[in-house]
Amino acid sequence: DAGITQSPRHKVTETGTPVTLRCHQTENHRYMYWYRQDPGHGLRLIHYSYGVKDTDKGEVSDGYSVSRSKTEDFLLTLESATSSQTSVYFCAISDLERGPGSNQPQHFGDGTRLSIL
Amino acid sequence: GEDVEQSLFLSVREGDSSVINCTYTDSSSTYLYWYKQEPGAGLQLLTYIFSNMDMKQDQRLTVLLNKKDKHLSLRIADTQTGDSAIYFCAEREFGDMRFGAGTRLTVKP
Repeated sequence: DAGITQSPRHKVTETGTPVTLRCHQTENHRYMYWYRQDPGHGLRLIHYSYGVKDTDKGEVSDGYSVSRSKTEDFLLTLESATSSQTSVYFCAISDLERGPGSNQPQHFGDGTRLSIL
Repeated sequence: GEDVEQSLFLSVREGDSSVINCTYTDSSSTYLYWYKQEPGAGLQLLTYIFSNMDMKQDQRLTVLLNKKDKHLSLRIADTQTGDSAIYFCAEREFGDMRFGAGTRLTVKP
């Protein structure tokens, strides 16, 4: 299994509070991703990173920010959590250094279940 | 919205074959993937197929790709109760990966 650790695994917090989720990898992969998973929607990309300090928005980035100060860590922050951000959040990594023509699937962490009351 | 579509539910009896279907829209996709998600866990890569292949077999799993119709299927032979999970198909072109909403497979004894 890919070395991906998400923390915390579960969190309950109140509307309006800041929340930071952490993804840590030991694979030295360049690309890291944050998704949210909601019933009927599958996985939706929030933000991704293609290197240290290099990030870009995904499909559902509003209300979220990210930071990547080291290759191994990718942080997702909800500056002021809302109930609509209650979800399961997954981090994924991918090694695209071998070039786009080679097989480079994404590998996933075990997720963080976030409940915002 | 998804560019990758799957039916949401499938129920089979233990020992039967399961076929999970997926359609995608991006004809330039280079790789197509099947992931399995068990309760409380992340997505686990099951298998993949390169876009110039029609079929790939890996033990009980058979992946069929009809590139003309942009149709991908996953067949699980001799389905077991441990195969109960959500199965996601995904397509990739370069760095972008797009997932279907997932098919929940229920295996009845």
